[in-house]
Amino acid sequence: NAGVMQNPRHLVRRRGQEARLRCSPMKGHSHVYWYRQLPEEGLKFMVYLQKENIIDESGMPKERFSAEFPKEGPSILRIQQVVRGDSAAYFCASSPPSSGRAGELFFGEGSRLTVL
Amino acid sequence: DAKTTQPNSMESNEEEPVHLPCNHSTISGTDYIHWYRQLPSQGPEYVIHGLTSNVNNRMASLAIAEDRKSSTLILHRATLRDAAVYYCILRDPPLIQGAQKLVFGQGTRLTINP
Repeated sequence: NAGVMQNPRHLVRRRGQEARLRCSPMKGHSHVYWYRQLPEEGLKFMVYLQKENIIDESGMPKERFSAEFPKEGPSILRIQQVVRGDSAAYFCASSPPSSGRAGELFFGEGSRLTVL
Repeated sequence: DAKTTQPNSMESNEEEPVHLPCNHSTISGTDYIHWYRQLPSQGPEYVIHGLTSNVNNRMASLAIAEDRKSSTLILHRATLRDAAVYYCILRDPPLIQGAQKLVFGQGTRLTINP
């Protein structure tokens, strides 16, 4: 049973370009979460999605960032017109639909974005 | 989510027990206590969780104070591979069934000496 798969693992972009990060949740999981970790800092919640719905985007920057989790295919975190401050590790996590209050999150290995 | 307080860093020796403390004085009666850890250059991984009673699993033990205002993660015999940042997190009951949004603090950076 494959874990949460993220790609690319490393991505280099120049300022002003777009970055697309993909996340395939574990089999059977319908909840996806994105977190960002700036260098030497803790993980910050960005967004929580279910299939075709954004449930909680309270941690998403208001501009340039968007996320989707289509009916088919992986979840995508899109960053438009990247700036140097977007350089970070972006982690995706997933959980099954009925894990209850005590269930765990399963994290991927992360995508490390470097903006030149 | 309620706030937790952990020491910034701790150090221990290989093959010795490690006790990682966490204070959560504002915990509510329905909050679960979760522990995750993040090894260098990896994503976080689940360690253990509990509500009121002490818990054991293959990775660690969780000792919860009787008033639930603090807890301790216990690694019984630390190895070099246990060097990581350990996060203590309180989980509110989710607004949506199955939601597992976690709010991470700064955690405790554990160093293991050979």
